[in-house]
Amino acid sequence: NAGVTQTPKFQVLKTGQSMTLQCAQDMNHNSMYWYRQDPGMGLRLIYYSASEGTTDKGEVPNGYNVSRLNKREFSLRLESAAPSQTSVYFCASSVQGRPGNTIYFGEGSWLTVV
Amino acid sequence: AQTVTQSQPEMSVQEAETVTLSCTYDTSESDYYLFWYKQPPSRQMILVIRQEAYKQQNATENRFSVNFQKAAKSFSLKISDSQLGDAAMYFCAYRSAQGAQKLVFGQGTRLTINP
Repeated sequence: NAGVTQTPKFQVLKTGQSMTLQCAQDMNHNSMYWYRQDPGMGLRLIYYSASEGTTDKGEVPNGYNVSRLNKREFSLRLESAAPSQTSVYFCASSVQGRPGNTIYFGEGSWLTVV
Repeated sequence: AQTVTQSQPEMSVQEAETVTLSCTYDTSESDYYLFWYKQPPSRQMILVIRQEAYKQQNATENRFSVNFQKAAKSFSLKISDSQLGDAAMYFCAYRSAQGAQKLVFGQGTRLTINP
């Protein structure tokens, strides 16, 4: 039962470097999300994709780009990493159109920018 | 935009006793869902309980129950017979029934269980 899989789980970047966080789900969900969680705070939405081929900004999109590669995969890219992007990143997925359904989360990716 | 507020950064309770975590939210919508998520030190997000706004009956899942006050926009979580394994961060979350149906989280409450 893979569910939502994120890679990598841990990454240290230098300021200015770029990297891509990968996310894949095997539950045939249409909607996928990227959140970040800073110390002592709740999760904040970065970008989301309501269905394959669409992406939209969330609450904190600056400094990030996303790609919905296909129905299964939704990647998050940091083009020029900054220390303020040090955070834990969560990918999530759900069935679109059924808001009462569970949103499934990945295990998180710990990113440190030095 | 919808907001979710958890005014208790930390709470503690004695093992086997009952504790209530508070949550308020702001929305102009009439149809939505509310959730409580548990996040243990592993950072895994675990769904504890959900409430549909159009249902007046409070949701219950074993030792977990909610007090949903729609007019007051309040959604508290009661944990009965607290167990050591209940220690975690708890997040209240709101999800609209329309549009992108994004999940909006509160800041979280850290719950400690004292043996």
